[in-house]
Amino acid sequence: GQNIDQPTEMTATEGAIVQINCTYQTSGFNGLFWYQQHAGEAPTFLSYNVLDGLEEKGRFSSFLSRSKGYSYLLLKELQMKDSASYLCAPLLGGYQKVTFGTGTKLQVIP
Amino acid sequence: EAQVTQNPRYLITVTGKKLTVTCSQNMNHEYMSWYRQDPGLGLRQIYYSMNVEVTDKGDVPEGYKVSRKEKRNFPLILESPSPNQTSLYFCASKGVWETQYFGPGTRLLVL
Repeated sequence: GQNIDQPTEMTATEGAIVQINCTYQTSGFNGLFWYQQHAGEAPTFLSYNVLDGLEEKGRFSSFLSRSKGYSYLLLKELQMKDSASYLCAPLLGGYQKVTFGTGTKLQVIP
Repeated sequence: EAQVTQNPRYLITVTGKKLTVTCSQNMNHEYMSWYRQDPGLGLRQIYYSMNVEVTDKGDVPEGYKVSRKEKRNFPLILESPSPNQTSLYFCASKGVWETQYFGPGTRLLVL
């Protein structure tokens, strides 16, 4: 595999902030996607980072450190509908090959 | 509307009966791929295609075939399905510097 590491499960409270971390091998790195996937549905695009730093998009932000092989997804003001799996997906070995981690299953509780 | 379509969405079949899952995209993307998703294993790439008539194996190609005769279509073929191919399958397409778009998924049960 490509050694993509994310926590398997996380639980957070409605209205709170949660950070989902991802580490990956740096060899052949060309950018990193985050996807959201509800059970039984297709993944949907959340963010794309190619340069170091924080990208903010509404309640969701994504951070990248290329030298450390590290990214995180930050979800603010959590809502019940945010309960889903979050997939870290770096582009490794080319500009087209997206490789997926096993995902982090987030449960938002009242 | 930009989309990836897959058919059928649900399929129950028996061991050894050949089947094809179709995939089509309307975004003129060159890159297309097939994934299977199983509990605890995440999305694993089966095959991918960089362009018409250019296909290559992904991480779990055994038991599958693909073809890319036209840019928009990328069917997945199971010549002799077995129960361990019971899974949720996703087709995806991607343009350069774009995100990957996924089809709605095909849930396959092989008895």
